[in-house]
Amino acid sequence: ETGVTQTPRHLVMGMTNKKSLKCEQHLGHNAMYWYKQSAKKPLELMFVYSLEERVENNSVPSRFSPECPNSSHLFLHLHTLQPEDSALYLCASSQDPTSGRADEQFFGPGTRLTVL
Amino acid sequence: LAKTTQPISMDSYEGQEVNITCSHNNIATNDYITWYQQFPSQGPRFIIQGYKTKVTNEVASLFIPADRKSSTLSLPRVSLSDTAVYYCLVGPAGSNYQLIWGAGTKLIIKP
Repeated sequence: ETGVTQTPRHLVMGMTNKKSLKCEQHLGHNAMYWYKQSAKKPLELMFVYSLEERVENNSVPSRFSPECPNSSHLFLHLHTLQPEDSALYLCASSQDPTSGRADEQFFGPGTRLTVL
Repeated sequence: LAKTTQPISMDSYEGQEVNITCSHNNIATNDYITWYQQFPSQGPRFIIQGYKTKVTNEVASLFIPADRKSSTLSLPRVSLSDTAVYYCLVGPAGSNYQLIWGAGTKLIIKP
């Protein structure tokens, strides 16, 4: 148990659907991240939140919309996705990315997303 | 940010010591070296982190030479359950949002 949970674990959606991925961390961390991992590709950082403020958005298409209502919860809202968006979506948390030290990230198990 | 280079894959046998080397020729003075492990369909898991010389914890050792242009992750007496992808990351303190994840090294342990 990593202390970071993600729901759902698997999701199949059509291109016109709207769905949301949920992440919750029970570690008291101040920073949360969304990553995308496509088949045979490296992890790609999508969004970073520190103290509930977005600090990084790596040019992610607007069909992905993050929300961080508090330091323990992170959502990724999905709408009008494309088949190439099918991937493993990973959430992670860390103490604080601006703490002045190299910061260990704790990852959740991921949501396997399939877009039809 | 310093780019890292690792072997794409490695094979070994149960009970052996495995060393995975990562090259980071452009490492900066304030960069740390961090290794993660990832099993299929799971999120990566932190293994070890170091700045210089040697770091050891309950699962691995990390050797960093004086010039810091490379590092070696050492896994003692591996088992089948150590089959995974291992990632080497380099970046300054507080830089998680700037880390670049490469393809990692796929380690396969055979009986």
